[in-house]
Amino acid sequence: GENVEQHPSTLSVQEGDSAVIKCTYSDSASNYFPWYKQELGKRPQLIIDIRSNVGEKKDQRIAVTLNKTAKHFSLHITETQPEDSAVYFCAVLGGSNYKLTFGKGTLLTVNP
Amino acid sequence: KAGVTQTPRYLIKTRGQQVTLSCSPISGHRSVSWYQQTPGQGLQFLFEYFSETQRNKGNFPGRFSGRQFSNSRSEMNVSTLELGDSALYLCASSESGTREETQYFGPGTRLLVL
Repeated sequence: GENVEQHPSTLSVQEGDSAVIKCTYSDSASNYFPWYKQELGKRPQLIIDIRSNVGEKKDQRIAVTLNKTAKHFSLHITETQPEDSAVYFCAVLGGSNYKLTFGKGTLLTVNP
Repeated sequence: KAGVTQTPRYLIKTRGQQVTLSCSPISGHRSVSWYQQTPGQGLQFLFEYFSETQRNKGNFPGRFSGRQFSNSRSEMNVSTLELGDSALYLCASSESGTREETQYFGPGTRLLVL
C-alpha cells in the first residue's frame, strides 16, 4: 500500500519566518495531494491541495510544490503568524482507490 | 450548510464491550470516510462508503465495521473493544465521491476504553 513519510515531526519558527514541511510517497500513480491543518482539540481542515498535473499552487501565504518524478511534495508557509501554530498533515490519494493516506503530522510552533 | 456532525462526542467503554459511532455528512454529500487518530499512528483510514456501498477498506481487523444508510448517514461499529482502540474517530464527507474531492471532517468521537 501507499507509504507517506512526513518531515520534520516538530518545527519551531519565529514569527515572520518561513516554514517548510516535506512529504514523500511511494505510489507513482497517486495524483491528489491535500494538506490539512489541525488546531488543538479541533477537526482537520483542508488548507491547500494540488493535483498531479500542476507543479505548484499558491494561496496567499501558503504554497505547495509537487515533484512527481521524485515523489515528494512540500508545504511552504511564509510570514508565519502565531495563529499558524497547529499540526499539519500531508495526505496522498491512492492511484486506484478512494483511500487517503496521511503523514504522521508536523507540530508547527510559531513563537511571537 | 451545516458541517459534518458526529455523535456522541465522548464515550467511555470497558474492554470486551462494543460501540457504535454515528456520522452525519454535509447535506448533499454522498461519500463518507472514517479515520482513527492516535498520537502514535496518526490518522489511519478505516473505510469509505458511497451510496451505501463500501468502496475501500483499510488495514483494520474485522472487529471494525461500518455501514451507510440511504440518507448518507454512516455508522461504524467496533466489537470486543480492546485498550488499543482508545482513539479519536473522525469521519469525513465529500460531495459526489469522485477521487479528487475535498473531504470535510467532523469534530470526531473520542473513545476511551478502560
